[in-house]
Amino acid sequence: SAVISQKPSRDICQRGTSLTIQCQVDSQVTMMFWYRQQPGQSLTLIATANQGSEATYESGFVIDKFPISRPNLTFSTLTVSNMSPEDSSIYLCSVDGTYHNEQFFGPGTRLTVL
Amino acid sequence: SQQGEEDPQALSIQEGENATMNCSYKTSINNLQWYRQNSGRGLVHLILIRSNEREKHSGRLRVTLDTSKKSSSLLITASRAADTASYFCATATGTASKLTFGTGTRLQVTL
Repeated sequence: SAVISQKPSRDICQRGTSLTIQCQVDSQVTMMFWYRQQPGQSLTLIATANQGSEATYESGFVIDKFPISRPNLTFSTLTVSNMSPEDSSIYLCSVDGTYHNEQFFGPGTRLTVL
Repeated sequence: SQQGEEDPQALSIQEGENATMNCSYKTSINNLQWYRQNSGRGLVHLILIRSNEREKHSGRLRVTLDTSKKSSSLLITASRAADTASYFCATATGTASKLTFGTGTRLQVTL
């Protein structure tokens, strides 16, 4: 299984600012995913990030609000732009497993927007 | 939108008892996966069952899949306090690897 780290682990931000979350994997992976988990809720996929191409966003999520970079096969960033209290969530990245399509998740970034 | 609905939403049992969680989904799937999340942290992959499989075991975990009813169940036998967590089912459809998560079950195991 892949080992995934995320930075920061948590942050408290002011309304109107932006935060960039980093996701680092210990091996090269083709696909990386970004999820949002609002308080007390399940996970919702934000976008799929492939190296060398634009991220693919799910319905309800747009690039201007959640720009994503994928500069190489082990790293990705998600930016939460122009934040509002409604963006307070846990943001998680994940990667595909090698053989069975299971996904491995990072520890998450807990974001609070005041 | 979430594909899966899980029940119960919350479950409280005593250590040593078995815990059963159910997941229903709406469309055809390639596989269904179960994850555990402790206290709002990252998710831990527990088990994957393919659409052509009916039952799978891993340690104290037993997963069943009924594609005709579009449902799955996760059984944890001889539960321990360390099993206290939220459990999510997630489905993979088509050729994409992305997952659609269920609503989750919060399991509390007391001593």
